[in-house]
Amino acid sequence: NAGVTQTPKFQVLKTGQSMTLQCAQDMNHEYMSWYRQDPGMGLRLIHYSVGAGITDQGEVPNGYNVSRSTTEDFPLRLLSAAPSQTSVYFCASSYDQETQYFGPGTRLLVL
Amino acid sequence: AQKVTQAQTEISVVEKEDVTLDCVYETRDTTYYLFWYKQPPSGELVFLIRRNSFDEQNEISGRYSWNFQKSTSSFNFTITASQVVDSAVYFCALRGRGSTLGRLYFGRGTQLTVWP
Repeated sequence: NAGVTQTPKFQVLKTGQSMTLQCAQDMNHEYMSWYRQDPGMGLRLIHYSVGAGITDQGEVPNGYNVSRSTTEDFPLRLLSAAPSQTSVYFCASSYDQETQYFGPGTRLLVL
Repeated sequence: AQKVTQAQTEISVVEKEDVTLDCVYETRDTTYYLFWYKQPPSGELVFLIRRNSFDEQNEISGRYSWNFQKSTSSFNFTITASQVVDSAVYFCALRGRGSTLGRLYFGRGTQLTVWP
């Protein structure tokens, strides 16, 4: 199993640009989530999904959209990037909604 | 409210020393889960352990051990005979049953540096 994969690893955007961060898992986990990590802040939940077709907001959802058309994929969309969205983004999946396994992360810089 | 406090921002030790990373949590839930994750310099987050609130047995895994004490709301992590490869940021996290489904509350992390 590849586990949780994320692409791209690094991305530089200009303010106002849009992009999609990809996340996929091959463990047949129903639960998936997106976190962002900022210096000295730990990780904060952006959006999560308990299964295909079901998504909900986390702690810091503004500026981000998600969808879950398949069990395997959970993309995160930035509609109009802002410098405040410069961060490291982690996708995670879980079989029991408790223990979460994280992907390698995407480092995003918004200029 | 759910909260995790890791008061130690940075710790430096010399190889082979023992080191304890502190974690104090707050929750009103009677059922909850505690976790430790390791983030090495390469950046990924590695799951280390999960502990349920109704199981206060300490756990040992090789050089790693965890001390869970509900009376003091602490879940401390000890590395015995530290090695350079243990250098990483370590995060403690809490998942309460009353919190947003699946949401983990993370502490701010402790940067551990092990010098040769």
